[in-house]
Amino acid sequence: LAKTTQPISMDSYEGQEVNITCSHNNIATNDYITWYQQFPSQGPRFIIQGYKTKVTNEVASLFIPADRKSSTLSLPRVSLSDTAVYYCLVGGFILTGGGNKLTFGTGTQLKVEL
Amino acid sequence: DTGVSQNPRHKITKRGQNVTFRCDPISEHNRLYWYRQTLGQGPEFLTYFQNEAQLEKSRLLSDRFSAERPKGSFSTLEIQRTEQGDSAMYLCASSLGSRSYNEQFFGPGTRLTVL
Repeated sequence: LAKTTQPISMDSYEGQEVNITCSHNNIATNDYITWYQQFPSQGPRFIIQGYKTKVTNEVASLFIPADRKSSTLSLPRVSLSDTAVYYCLVGGFILTGGGNKLTFGTGTQLKVEL
Repeated sequence: DTGVSQNPRHKITKRGQNVTFRCDPISEHNRLYWYRQTLGQGPEFLTYFQNEAQLEKSRLLSDRFSAERPKGSFSTLEIQRTEQGDSAMYLCASSLGSRSYNEQFFGPGTRLTVL
């Protein structure tokens, strides 16, 4: 399993763009990069997933360089409600029957202030 | 609301007692997962069901833990003879085989406190 490294915490202000970078030097050829968001007392929520280059959805963008050894989650114009823990996951493990065991690290605590 | 529900949301019990949690996944999802999360840590995988079959169990799942998904719909997680170290948030997630590789839908969790 590819290990991921991301900052423990980040602070930002409302309206700013936030970029959280994750390092995954040992990413395998068939690994995808996935980001989850978790609010206190809630389960994680899938944000975005990508394999290479750039992926964008209504919530965020994911930038992946050609070597895929890192990735950056970009949150445009954050608000107070974006205060949460953000997890970078790589690969996962294919379980019997095709399911996927997600392997979470400790994540990045993002705090957004006024 | 992801569509995955868990009950109860909170459970306080005394050491040595048995507890059971329930998870109702999104109805069309054939895959169901249980995770455990302690304070300051990310969720850790416990076990996985494909329909009613339990196909994988983590080494974290000691003999005191048992999970079932009898009809391939809801699932239960039972902990026997609870210990203080079992105190954690227990999360259930579900997914559909045809969806994104790593997209799982998590419930709100059951927070267990063992006194």
